[in-house]
Amino acid sequence: EPEVTQTPSHQVTQMGQEVILRCVPISNHLYFYWYRQILGQKVEFLVSFYNNEISEKSEIFDDQFSVERPDGSNFTLKIRSTKLEDSAMYFCASSEEVRSKQFFGPGTRLTVL
Amino acid sequence: GESVGLHLPTLSVQEGDNSIINCAYSNSASDYFIWYKQESGKGPQFIIDIRSNMDKRQGQRVTVLLNKTVKHLSLQIAATQPGDSAVYFCAENVQGAQKLVFGQGTRLTINP
Repeated sequence: EPEVTQTPSHQVTQMGQEVILRCVPISNHLYFYWYRQILGQKVEFLVSFYNNEISEKSEIFDDQFSVERPDGSNFTLKIRSTKLEDSAMYFCASSEEVRSKQFFGPGTRLTVL
Repeated sequence: GESVGLHLPTLSVQEGDNSIINCAYSNSASDYFIWYKQESGKGPQFIIDIRSNMDKRQGQRVTVLLNKTVKHLSLQIAATQPGDSAVYFCAENVQGAQKLVFGQGTRLTINP
């Protein structure tokens, strides 16, 4: 069964450093998403991406964040200058159609020191 | 703002019993709902979805009920197994938006 994959599983970085989180969505899916989950809290939407552009974003997704689909398979989330409060699990998801079931990857645990 | 560290509602059931997990959603414009299961250290796993033109949908051992009048969603799991132990989230999607808005989750524990 096709799955969303994410790398790395765990990323530790120093405050102020840039990180890039990587995702490979399910191959025939057209819509891609990033969510995050701070430890013990709800899953929160960050951004959705379709047709090589951002289609929706939350207030969390400020100028420090960017997304890219650099090739036909990868989907990345970049945080330019990490803050302590960026420490969280970051989940990539994809869906075949808009407003249909979203399938989540296993997540990247980001720890900012 | 939200408090740090949610205290999840918990539900404990005996293996083999049925369980019902409830969710109240907030936005009357939401018309698509998904239940996810999250095991420790893993991503949310799709269980079942329902659109607002239905009030019930069944899957394998699971049933989702939707009551739009009171903005309530429930997930029924039949004949629970130890592998059903996890946190269960409902997520809602508002018409016109792409994002899912997740509820706070319920921790289900299956006792042997």
